[in-house]
Amino acid sequence: DVKVTQSSRYLVKRTGEKVFLECVQDMDHENMFWYRQDPGLGLRLIYFSYDVKMKEKGDIPEGYSVSREKKERFSLILESASTNQTSMYLCASSRNGASTDTQYFGPGTRLTVL
Amino acid sequence: GEDVEQSLFLSVREGDSSVINCTYTDSSSTYLYWYKQEPGAGLQLLTYIFSNMDMKQDQRLTVLLNKKDKHLSLRIADTQTGDSAIYFCAEFEDSSYKLIFGSGTRLLVRP
Repeated sequence: DVKVTQSSRYLVKRTGEKVFLECVQDMDHENMFWYRQDPGLGLRLIYFSYDVKMKEKGDIPEGYSVSREKKERFSLILESASTNQTSMYLCASSRNGASTDTQYFGPGTRLTVL
Repeated sequence: GEDVEQSLFLSVREGDSSVINCTYTDSSSTYLYWYKQEPGAGLQLLTYIFSNMDMKQDQRLTVLLNKKDKHLSLRIADTQTGDSAIYFCAEFEDSSYKLIFGSGTRLLVRP
């Protein structure tokens, strides 16, 4: 079974702090994704990566950056957290970019910025 | 950009059928998906349908696709309390290789 793990289930940070959300997958997948999930808005893509050191902006990249130094690990970075970044963050991975590919999701990190 | 729309809430009695509807805009989508999210958990792929099919059945789940109207539905037969969750419809955007998600439908199953 594919396993996608996220470093924290719950996180509370203060405005202005630098925040790292880590995601690890164990299936040698090429693609990894970061989404945020907000009530009534569904999932919105922040960034994705199709290879080590490669990244592409999603639909809402402002205020975020990412890092993919190793194939299995994709980090989401909030350089200076703000209260409007309070959300549920979901990481996903897929084998490659084809439409036949399933995205497998981690359990999510609920981030609260005070 | 492309858009996927779903109703926000559905309530059914245990044992009844549930039908969750979704509309999408990208007529070139090759695959459409249904994901389930249980409380406090990530998304789990339930089923998917290829765009040249109009129906797919998998145990209690039936997916219907009307490509002309760009309408997708998920029918859950004999709905159980364990089916209470948020259900997301998603289309694969071939041009960008991205999954576009709807806002999710919260299904509440009453005993």
